[in-house]
Amino acid sequence: GNSVTQMEGPVTLSEEAFLTINCTYTATGYPSLFWYVQYPGEGLQLLLKATKADDKGSNKGFEATYRKETTSFHLEKGSVQVSDSAVYFCALRSSANAGGTSYGKLTFGQGTILTVHP
Amino acid sequence: GAGVSQSPSNKVTEKGKDVELRCDPISGHTALYWYRQSLGQGLEFLIYFQGNSAPDKSGLPSDRFSAERTGGSVSTLTIQRTQQEDSAVYLCASTPGRGSYEQYFGPGTRLTVT
Repeated sequence: GNSVTQMEGPVTLSEEAFLTINCTYTATGYPSLFWYVQYPGEGLQLLLKATKADDKGSNKGFEATYRKETTSFHLEKGSVQVSDSAVYFCALRSSANAGGTSYGKLTFGQGTILTVHP
Repeated sequence: GAGVSQSPSNKVTEKGKDVELRCDPISGHTALYWYRQSLGQGLEFLIYFQGNSAPDKSGLPSDRFSAERTGGSVSTLTIQRTQQEDSAVYLCASTPGRGSYEQYFGPGTRLTVT
């Protein structure tokens, strides 16, 4: 079955430090890959996505590249801010069919807590 | 426009009681998903609705869990005879469908079973 593995947290950084959160996956076919972010007290928000190999998703200074050869989708940011403190989830969506309808349920990693200090 | 809303935001219940959790998806979104976020288990898929039908219920953990959707809109997740292991945050997401699969999440319902 599908699975997503994220680097264990929590991760604590100083402001302006470089961030990497590793994510690897196992899936059949050609999944789409996502990073979601959950800020304190808020719901999950889509941060970025990539739908095919070698695609790079980017948003708010964060980037991740879909690497099929290493089955990875590592999240990076060159200079983190205190406001980036949140929980980050890597996820994949693989095409599925049920009831004659194509749809995509998400499989999530376990989440990585990021804390950025001033 | 309005996002996905869920109610209640918090629910504390005694073991053995039944609870109902509600999700109001974004207007016009045809697909709706329920997930559960718990310590030790992470985020798990529970059930998927397309319109009012549920083609995939594979994530429901036991027959104490059921869900329905009416009018292609509001969905209710019901947990009967709650157990302490049901304590979690229950998340709802909706998508426009019709080739657009980005999932928009609600704020969740935090369920605590005492």
